[in-house]
Amino acid sequence: KQEVTQIPAALSVPEGENLVLNCSFTDSAIYNLQWFRQDPGKGLTSLLLIQSSQREQTSGRLNASLDKSSGRSTLYIAASQPGDSATYLCAVDVDDYGGSQGNLIFGKGTKLSVKP
Amino acid sequence: NAGVTQTPKFRILKIGQSMTLQCTQDMNHNYMYWYRQDPGMGLKLIYYSVGAGITDKGEVPNGYNVSRSTTEDFPLRLELAAPSQTSVYFCASSRGRGTGFYGYTFGSGTRLTVV
Repeated sequence: KQEVTQIPAALSVPEGENLVLNCSFTDSAIYNLQWFRQDPGKGLTSLLLIQSSQREQTSGRLNASLDKSSGRSTLYIAASQPGDSATYLCAVDVDDYGGSQGNLIFGKGTKLSVKP
Repeated sequence: NAGVTQTPKFRILKIGQSMTLQCTQDMNHNYMYWYRQDPGMGLKLIYYSVGAGITDKGEVPNGYNVSRSTTEDFPLRLELAAPSQTSVYFCASSRGRGTGFYGYTFGSGTRLTVV
């Protein structure tokens, strides 16, 4: 059974720091991996999606990497800002005979606080 | 585009009552999903649908029912509400298989308390 773990559970950094959030998964048979942002009381916003054949994706100050063989992904946030404060969720889309079930397995998230 | 719209945003139910959580999307997505999120936890899949008339159970389906009569709508029914169903419920949609890149669009959630 696929399990997704995110470390650390919480992180507090001063503004301007670069930081890395970690995600690990137990089964390398994934279709893709996604990073989401969740603000308190709000829904999820998709940040980056990495297909299983890709190694990384970038969007602005965000860079996500994927190493399927080791079951790891990282989300790198450059020059952090107070507005980046949120919970970041990692989710894997389980591969189903080469396609995708389309069902996401989520980690519990990393709660990020960026202090001014 | 409105994306994925969920109603209501908040609801308090008494034990044993029933209700329907509404979800509608205007992106013509084939796939739709219901997740629940308990405090400090990740999201867990309740039910999903790959198209109108087709639904299937996810990881935590007990106590819930769904239907998918149209592409746009995917309501979640709670029968005989229990305190264990206190949670935040998220509806999501995505494109189907064979469409290349696709991502998920989530609704803003329904916060349900059962007392």
